[in-house]
Amino acid sequence: QVQLQESGPGLVKPSETLSLTCAVSGYSISSGYYWGWIRQPPGKGLEWIGSIYHSGSTYYNPSLKSRVTISVDTSKNQFSLKLSSVTAADTAVYYCARVGSSGWLGYWGQGTLVTVSS
Amino acid sequence: DIQMTQSPSTLSASVGDRVTITCRASQSISGWLAWYQQKPGKAPRLLIYQVSSLESGVPSRFSGSGSGTEFTLTISSLQPDDFATYYCQQYSSVWTFGQGTKVEIK
Repeated sequence: QVQLQESGPGLVKPSETLSLTCAVSGYSISSGYYWGWIRQPPGKGLEWIGSIYHSGSTYYNPSLKSRVTISVDTSKNQFSLKLSSVTAADTAVYYCARVGSSGWLGYWGQGTLVTVSS
Repeated sequence: DIQMTQSPSTLSASVGDRVTITCRASQSISGWLAWYQQKPGKAPRLLIYQVSSLESGVPSRFSGSGSGTEFTLTISSLQPDDFATYYCQQYSSVWTFGQGTKVEIK
């Protein structure tokens, strides 16, 4: 059974870089599929951040592209998100997910709340 | 970006009711559409992909239909476990979600 688990600081200061990791179990990232990050501000809807293939090929939301870096570490079976120059607007629950063959999100992590505040 | 608009935003219904949620895209997305269910404090759960394909383990009372720019999620007989918020997602281009439809107990 595929399982994903996000980890990282729950509090980030404004202008700093948010860093999260998604550990995958039950499936080898090297075997395929894209892997993605999605966020949800408190009480609001979902926003796709970006996705990465095991080869390192990435696909970012243009609205965040200048601040986002997604990377993969196949040796640890995990992938990571970095979001730079954060503001309060980046406060959200961040989810990692496995992308289905065309773009649906079939497996999700439980999510982790990241608050941007000084 | 393609905008996804769901209606209604909130829906009050009773157990046993037939419920329909609509999702409209600002331009054609062909069949690149999925539906999710989200309960408070939980991650979204995939219900349907490719407009009408039921995800494994999802009850058959859930169904999806549509094409082009208009899509629907139908729950044939609402169950207590179905009270939640539902989102559509298009993956035709830059992936975007609808704003959500909250299904409440009437």
